[in-house]
Amino acid sequence: NAGVTQTPKFQVLKTGQSMTLQCAQDMNHNSMYWYRQDPGMGLRLIYYSASEGTTDKGEVPNGYNVSRLNKREFSLRLESAAPSQTSVYFCAVSSYYEQYFGPGTRLTVT
Amino acid sequence: SQQGEEDPQALSIQEGENATMNCSYKTSINNLQWYRQNSGRGLVHLILIRSNEREKHSGRLRVTLDTSKKSSSLLITASRAADTASYFCATEYTSYDKVIFGPGTSLSVIP
Repeated sequence: NAGVTQTPKFQVLKTGQSMTLQCAQDMNHNSMYWYRQDPGMGLRLIYYSASEGTTDKGEVPNGYNVSRLNKREFSLRLESAAPSQTSVYFCAVSSYYEQYFGPGTRLTVT
Repeated sequence: SQQGEEDPQALSIQEGENATMNCSYKTSINNLQWYRQNSGRGLVHLILIRSNEREKHSGRLRVTLDTSKKSSSLLITASRAADTASYFCATEYTSYDKVIFGPGTSLSVIP
């Protein structure tokens, strides 16, 4: 029972490159989230999905797209990476109020 | 921004002492949660307190909520080196159905 998994763990991109961050859960929860964490900023919500087939913007959606492929998987895509997107990205799932987090992806854009 | 604020930003104590950190928020909430993050890891849920509750306990953790002051505190009693981590409050506002995380308090417990 892995909970919430994220791939990759680390990634270095050049400005303008694209990539997709993957998140998968085996907890059978409906709600899934993508956050970014920057020093001194806490976590900021990028996108979330309340259920399969639905997605909605969070606080900082610009420069990102998401896909809720099925109940288990929620991916985050950077179409043209910028240095401002250097951050640690966390996927989370929730049942009612409590959120369960993945281990994070550390992304550096040079 | 609706982001709450934790206070202090950083706290250093000796093992065995109590650690108190505070969270202030801006408007009416449904509930407030506290999470812990060990270095380089994801956040782990610690405790949730609803807007109609004033105090909750979980092991060595005690959380209080004062809705009149729009603030909450997390008390860790008899701290251990393993409590060294960052602690975040997360508020679910009544006007916004998603959770907003504060910037966190970094706690160091010195053996």
